[in-house]
Amino acid sequence: DTGVSQDPRHKITKRGQNVTFRCDPISEHNRLYWYRQTLGQGPEFLTYFQNEAQLEKSRLLSDRFSAERPKGSFSTLEIQRTEQGDSAMYLCATEALEGQGRGSGANVLTFGAGSRLTVL
Amino acid sequence: DQQVKQNSPSLSVQEGRISILNCDYTNSMFDYFLWYKKYPAEGPTFLISISSIKDKNEDGRFTVFLNKSAKHLSLHIVPSQPGDSAVYFCAASKTSYDKVIFGPGTSLSVIP
Repeated sequence: DTGVSQDPRHKITKRGQNVTFRCDPISEHNRLYWYRQTLGQGPEFLTYFQNEAQLEKSRLLSDRFSAERPKGSFSTLEIQRTEQGDSAMYLCATEALEGQGRGSGANVLTFGAGSRLTVL
Repeated sequence: DQQVKQNSPSLSVQEGRISILNCDYTNSMFDYFLWYKKYPAEGPTFLISISSIKDKNEDGRFTVFLNKSAKHLSLHIVPSQPGDSAVYFCAASKTSYDKVIFGPGTSLSVIP
């Protein structure tokens, strides 16, 4: 499978616990994004990386959230002291900055299937 | 502040007819626009895109129209097929290397 892989697919946790999600990108993709999606809403931008550098973090993201992409490969998204409002689907997407898919000029993201978080 | 809006949460169309999904945006700095399709339990998948130098882009049964002065774009699917039933997200970015902002989505049901 050469797609974007996310783990775990579903996580149930109690309020106050820490959770970590992992994303394994398509190997040649330089950019990696994290989005959050709640019911009836579109993906909401959280943060993104180019290689190992974190380019931007949404101001909506509290300091309980942290993301890393060591060595520009896989990425982790950690949520500390989870709250019920953190319940959502966390989507990872990656993008190639060169080559196929950029012919239109647009940044085409390839998404993983997501990690669903339920905070009780 | 939602920069990309899809004001119709849902749409039902008969098989074989045209589906028209609409999208409005507020940020005049957006220059690239994309449509993604999402099936349940899967991540969104890219469908078609357009840059602001064009007003139309076509790919098979899918055509995207852009009216930059009205800050409006639409996705036409002709003819609609039951397999097109999914949630469609409109998305935009300022440059081809900037972050992508998504709308809330429109759920399309194509009735056989």
